[in-house]
Amino acid sequence: GAGVSQSPSNKVTEKGKDVELRCDPISGHTALYWYRQSLGQGLEFLIYFQGNSAPDKSGLPSDRFSAERTGGSVSTLTIQRTQQEDSAVYLCASSPPDLLAGYNEQYFGPGTRLTVT
Amino acid sequence: AQTVTQSQPEMSVQEAETVTLSCTYDTSENNYYLFWYKQPPSRQMILVIRQEAYKQQNATENRFSVNFQKAAKSFSLKISDSQLGDTAMYFCAFMKHVATGTASKLTFGTGTRLQVTL
Repeated sequence: GAGVSQSPSNKVTEKGKDVELRCDPISGHTALYWYRQSLGQGLEFLIYFQGNSAPDKSGLPSDRFSAERTGGSVSTLTIQRTQQEDSAVYLCASSPPDLLAGYNEQYFGPGTRLTVT
Repeated sequence: AQTVTQSQPEMSVQEAETVTLSCTYDTSENNYYLFWYKQPPSRQMILVIRQEAYKQQNATENRFSVNFQKAAKSFSLKISDSQLGDTAMYFCAFMKHVATGTASKLTFGTGTRLQVTL
């Protein structure tokens, strides 16, 4: 079946512009996560959704970052007034509702590489 | 808060040889899960292996196995019979146990770049 998809694959933007990154989770997956991978760094958690609500947005680095999820499916990560330090790969993951195992296996998309010039 | 440390930024191994990637973590949780993910140049994160903290037996998946030392908070990955396709970044990750109906984030290390050579 189809995996997690993200668009665009690559985005180059000028400093100060706003950008929107999109994530389409696997159909039926209730949880959705955003991570950021900066050069030479591991993945840094940004926010996660359970359905349309965001119980944990503790990783958003500043108020320039926001995310929403509509219809329990597609999510958009918005970065306002982009800065050069926002340059990174933004990865999205989703997980199914079955939590009998006590953990939720996350399936990752291919990411969006954002470059702020 | 949890932290995950990978102290080997880069490793190299010859094809068909065995290599071990190191990972240590710090947590006050008693129930949790540990993972190794592979990230090839395509950027796609692929789950390699998972270990439940309550299990004493080390997880294995074909050529991949772990050495889980709970008291030492150590979780290394052994790749046997290395193949060229194993060339990738490898990330160690931690997730705490969650109640049904909730979800939890992954906490990642900074990764180890593995190069398999002929």
